[in-house]
Amino acid sequence: EVQLVESGGGLVQPGGSLRLSCAASGFMFSTYWMTWVRQAPGKGLEWVANIKEDGNEKYYVESVKGRFTISRDNANNSLFLQMTYLGVDDTAIYYCARVVAAAGPDYWGQGIPVTVSS
Amino acid sequence: DIQMTQSPSTLSASVGDRVTITCRASQTISGWLAWYQHKPGKAPKLLIYKASSLQSGVPSRFSGSGSGTEFTLTIGCLQPDDFATYYCQQYSTYSLFTFGPGTKVEIK
Repeated sequence: EVQLVESGGGLVQPGGSLRLSCAASGFMFSTYWMTWVRQAPGKGLEWVANIKEDGNEKYYVESVKGRFTISRDNANNSLFLQMTYLGVDDTAIYYCARVVAAAGPDYWGQGIPVTVSS
Repeated sequence: DIQMTQSPSTLSASVGDRVTITCRASQTISGWLAWYQHKPGKAPKLLIYKASSLQSGVPSRFSGSGSGTEFTLTIGCLQPDDFATYYCQQYSTYSLFTFGPGTKVEIK
C-alpha cells in the first residue's frame, strides 16, 4: 500500500525557517518524480515544487523560488522541503504527493500544517 | 505560464442530479489534465487523469472529457459523498503544474 506521511510542520515566526519531511513507503520511491502542494486557509490548492527521480531536476512556483528547496534521499525513501524566509503568505497545509508520468500526482499524504505568525 | 480557470466556482445541486464542471487552460495542454476531489482535512483524491481516464477505484459516475484547452468533469448521478470541492490540474510539463481555483459542490 502506498503511504506518504508528512512531518516537520508547526508554528514559526516571519523570517524563520522550517524543514518538512515526507516518508514514503509501499512503492519504489527512487523511480518517481515527487511534488509538494499547499493549501492556504480558505484558498485552493497551489503547486509548490517538483523533483525528478534522481534529484537532478527541480522546479518551483515563482513565489517560493530562492526561498524553498526541494530535495530527496532515495536511500531512505524520503522527500524534503526546506523553507526559509517564511512569510505569513506561506501559512498553509503542505502535502507531498507521488507523480506518475501519465497521471500527474496520484497518491497524496494527509498534509502537515505550517503557520507563520508572530 | 499556463493559467487554469474553472466554472462555476460554486454549484448547488441535489442528490441524483447530473453535474458538470468546466476547466479551461490558457494554452493547449493536450490531454494532460487531472481532476481531484478534496474534502476538508483529507488528502486530495485523484478522480480522472489524462482528461478522460478513470483512476482505479473511482466510481463510474465520474467522467471526464476534453482536449486542448477545454475540459469537463461530469458526475452522472450525484451521491451524498460527492459534496466536496473539485479541482482541475494541468501537468503538461514537470517545470510547472497548475491547479484551477476549484469548484465547490454544495447541497441544494
